[in-house]
Amino acid sequence: AQSVSQHNHHVILSEAASLELGCNYSYGGTVNLFWYVQYPGQHLQLLLKYFSGDPLVKGIKGFEAEFIKSKFSFNLRKPSVQWSDTAEYFCAVISSNTGKLIFGQGTTLQVKP
Amino acid sequence: DTEVTQTPKHLVMGMTNKKSLKCEQHMGHRAMYWYKQKAKKPPELMFVYSYEKLSINESVPSRFSPECPNSSLLNLHLHALQPEDSALYLCASSQDNRGRTGELFFGEGSRLTVL
Repeated sequence: AQSVSQHNHHVILSEAASLELGCNYSYGGTVNLFWYVQYPGQHLQLLLKYFSGDPLVKGIKGFEAEFIKSKFSFNLRKPSVQWSDTAEYFCAVISSNTGKLIFGQGTTLQVKP
Repeated sequence: DTEVTQTPKHLVMGMTNKKSLKCEQHMGHRAMYWYKQKAKKPPELMFVYSYEKLSINESVPSRFSPECPNSSLLNLHLHALQPEDSALYLCASSQDNRGRTGELFFGEGSRLTVL
């Protein structure tokens, strides 16, 4: 069955620290990969996406993610976080066979000013 | 601002009530989705409509009844709900549901409380 696993459930960082959030998926077919962010009290927003091509993708607000096919991973990174990055981060995978977008459990990021 | 509009933003209903959640998009998308999100949990897929036809039902109880009157509208009819159905209900749309574009655009959600 298709599944998405996020390793970090709650991350606390100080401003200017570097961020890496892990994401692994289990589906072996053709997949598209996403990171969504949900700021407190707001709707889900797309941070970045990978469909094909360069495995290093850049998104909004200085975020980037690297797709490593051999590791079934799609980790999210940011060199220097800001207090405004405090939010819930969801990795998500959609299979071209099922058409279902499945989310990981989410990581709560708290950035201390 | 999201281009997927959901109404109402908040809804409180009793277990014997019948109510509906509404979702609208004008991006020309042909796939629309209902997700349920409990606090501190990821969204869980409920239904997918593709070209106005129900294509995925994730074994959702029949007290939730989706409807897609046209390509821009998606409804979720609620009847005889239980308190554990209290959650944020998210609507989303995408160009199609086969992942070829894959990006889902989410509404702000309808927060449902069942008493």
